[in-house]
Amino acid sequence: AQSVTQLDSQVPVFEEAPVELRCNYSSSVSVYLFWYVQYPNQGLQLLLKYLSGSTLVKGINGFEAEFNKSQTSFHLRKPSVHISDTAEYFCAVSDRGTYKYIFGTGTRLKVLA
Amino acid sequence: DAGVIQSPRHEVTEMGQEVTLRCKPISGHDYLFWYRQTMMRGLELLIYFNNNVPIDDSGMPEDRFSAKMPNASFSTLKIQPSEPRDSAVYFCASSFLGGSTDTQYFGPGTRLTVL
Repeated sequence: AQSVTQLDSQVPVFEEAPVELRCNYSSSVSVYLFWYVQYPNQGLQLLLKYLSGSTLVKGINGFEAEFNKSQTSFHLRKPSVHISDTAEYFCAVSDRGTYKYIFGTGTRLKVLA
Repeated sequence: DAGVIQSPRHEVTEMGQEVTLRCKPISGHDYLFWYRQTMMRGLELLIYFNNNVPIDDSGMPEDRFSAKMPNASFSTLKIQPSEPRDSAVYFCASSFLGGSTDTQYFGPGTRLTVL
């Protein structure tokens, strides 16, 4: 069965510092991978997705993620964060063609001034 | 496009009452998903539809929950009778098969409080 693990429930980081949010998954088949962001009292917004091809995926707001098949990871990175990046970030996996996501438990990113 | 629309945004009800949550997917989308978000369990997929037909309802917690999609532009999630443990944020999402990307677009959610 599929599963997604986000090891860090909270990540505090100072403004303009780099950040990495970790995501590991388990699946027996080929997958699509996603990162979503949720701002307070809002729905989820797609940041980026890996479907195939280049393992380095660039998304909105300066975020990027790297798919590592051997380590079954899809970590999210940003070289310099802003206060406005404070939000909860969710990693998700779907078996190709099933249109069914499994979400991780989320990582709360708090950017400090 | 207006995006996925959910109503109401907030619902407060008493235990035992019937609750109906509503969702309008993005026009042209053929998949619709209902999720529940709680602190304890995170985001859980409850049920999803393809072309108005329920495909997988294995996440529906119990018989008190039911979902319908009478047409391509409207879906409901009903809880009858409601219980305090149903308090959560319920999200609706939609996606488009023709895009072949599995990307889901989420609504703003309905915050349900059962007293």
